[in-house]
Amino acid sequence: GAVVSQHPSRVICKSGTSVKIECRSLDFQATTMFWYRQFPKQSLMLMATSNEGSKATYEQGVEKDKFLINHASLTLSTLTVTSAHPEDSSFYICSAGGGVRTEAFFGQGTRLTVV
Amino acid sequence: GENVGLHLPTLSVQEGDNSIINCAYSNSASDYFIWYKQESGKGPQFIIDIRSNMDKRQGQRVTVLLNKTVKHLSLQIAATQPGDSAVYFCAERYGKLTFGQGTILTVHP
Repeated sequence: GAVVSQHPSRVICKSGTSVKIECRSLDFQATTMFWYRQFPKQSLMLMATSNEGSKATYEQGVEKDKFLINHASLTLSTLTVTSAHPEDSSFYICSAGGGVRTEAFFGQGTRLTVV
Repeated sequence: GENVGLHLPTLSVQEGDNSIINCAYSNSASDYFIWYKQESGKGPQFIIDIRSNMDKRQGQRVTVLLNKTVKHLSLQIAATQPGDSAVYFCAERYGKLTFGQGTILTVHP
């Protein structure tokens, strides 16, 4: 199956700082990438859809100025959590799309802890 | 063992038993469905998928059944092993993927 790599796998940051998470498609060109957030013992919630070369589409209730998404190439999308607060602590997961099945594959996830 | 519905988010089985995990999806227009396995601290791992023009698809030790009449999806795991212990999510696609709440599968040796 398609390989999606996410980095870092875990990060701890101080309140008020910004954190960047990278999502790479390693063996195909991803025209679309998706960013999810998952709280403990809960399901994945879509935050935004990232399209290469254009602005991301955010889901209702997700602050676009807080969660900055950049999809500058067909293999890389980044999510930047700006001015992080403890309530932003969560598991962030990306997936990459480009066809019927490629969106089925996810990165390893990033555990963000804001202290 | 059999999960009788989403109000029972946990399923415990003995090693070697067959497991059935159920999912009710919401959108009758969804065209594509996927089952994922998620282990603690990891991203979802693709297990098997099915398109809406099919009602059954088999993989290695797993079978997905789709009943569009009642908007129901199930995942059958044959000869369940301790390594199958994880949270299982169904997802439906109508434009974007929407995930179900998940079922915790615990396999006892």
